Amino acid sequence: GESVGLHLPTLSVQEGDNSIINCAYSNSASDYFIWYKQESGKGPQFIIDIRSNMDKRQGQRVTVLLNKTVKHLSLQIAATQPGDSAVYFCAENLRTDKLIFGTGTRLQVFP
Amino acid sequence: GAVVSQHPSWVICKSGTSVKIECRSLDFQATTMFWYRQFPKQSLMLMATSNEGSKATYEQGVEKDKFLINHASLTLSTLTVTSAHPEDSSFYICSARTFSNSPLHFGNGTRLTVT
Repeated sequence: GESVGLHLPTLSVQEGDNSIINCAYSNSASDYFIWYKQESGKGPQFIIDIRSNMDKRQGQRVTVLLNKTVKHLSLQIAATQPGDSAVYFCAENLRTDKLIFGTGTRLQVFP
Repeated sequence: GAVVSQHPSWVICKSGTSVKIECRSLDFQATTMFWYRQFPKQSLMLMATSNEGSKATYEQGVEKDKFLINHASLTLSTLTVTSAHPEDSSFYICSARTFSNSPLHFGNGTRLTVT
């Protein structure tokens, strides 16, 4: 079936460095993508989204890049902070308006 | 804005009993809500789509008679886990969006433990 996957299950970075979390998706018909952050014991929190008519979108300290040619999505976090430690999920919005989540990447930030 | 509240945040029940989880959209109306399940160290898996005033639609492999969904108003959806078993122990999370093709807003989840 359709799926959204991630390359790295765990990413460790030093505080202050930039983080890049990658995601591959398989449904070429999807036209909307979202990154979520999930802290332990909590529901996912919206970070940033991007529609398929764009290839880059920036927020505060975060940037999402979309490469439709290779069906790849990435989340860049600038100047990573300890509070950024969490699990990050990309999610793909299907034409049926269902949101399907990738496998997740745990980001660990060390001082 | 766009706050989704879920209750309870955790529940422990005995095998064979039923548990009801509530999901409310606090500051917006949601004709559609989504229920997810998450096992430890895994991703969120969509269980079903809750439709206000009509039957829920379930994902493949999710038993509709075991996971009863009721969406009686534009701000409330409930998920009842019937005849719960230890393998139903999981983190259940509901979500809603203010309009189509927009971010889903999530509740803080319900940790269900069946003993």
